[in-house]
Amino acid sequence: QKEVEQNSGPLSVPEGAIASLNCTYSDRGSQSFFWYRQYSGKSPELIMFIYSNGDKEDGRFTAQLNKASQYVSLLIRDSQPSDSATYLCAKAQDSNYQLIWGAGTKLIIKP
Amino acid sequence: EAQVTQNPRYLITVTGKKLTVTCSQNMNHEYMSWYRQDPGLGLRQIYYSMNVEVTDKGDVPEGYKVSRKEKRNFPLILESPSPNQTSLYFCASSHGTPKETQYFGPGTRLLVL
Repeated sequence: QKEVEQNSGPLSVPEGAIASLNCTYSDRGSQSFFWYRQYSGKSPELIMFIYSNGDKEDGRFTAQLNKASQYVSLLIRDSQPSDSATYLCAKAQDSNYQLIWGAGTKLIIKP
Repeated sequence: EAQVTQNPRYLITVTGKKLTVTCSQNMNHEYMSWYRQDPGLGLRQIYYSMNVEVTDKGDVPEGYKVSRKEKRNFPLILESPSPNQTSLYFCASSHGTPKETQYFGPGTRLLVL
């Protein structure tokens, strides 16, 4: 089992709807989680991080963390075509200075 | 402008010919790392460095070397490249630890024939 798992997609969502991206992880000791967005041919860029159980909101984005169930999700409200990208989930190891990444979910927002 | 630069951006080489990909950041970041990105596998960490002269292996270090003699530079060395090292490579940096925002370079696309 991979340490960080994501559905590769593509996930197709109509414009204006809520896009829901999910990520599961295997290490109960993991504490810090990140969502990065990567446009085709570009470098990843940070959207949000979350450390505590519950929800964290930033504009149209909400990150959710459930440590008991070992999943992290990213909700994008009022999806726009410009949100079309690959979304990468990552966790920071507490035992060393590594970042472990999922393979990413490709999101397509259809006008 | 705060940035991470990588050179070259594109490289075609042959098996066994030593090459170096440079990475430089101007943000005085302590943490730097190298990743390779392959379809379906996502980003995999090759090496990382917590500060000058402090480096450690990531998940896929075989066939790669790094050095951190200066804070701003973190070159990736392939002593004897092989076709399975054909990939897209990213350098990234952050303050302190990987829990801080990672700033990525533009990527280096490498083809080993």
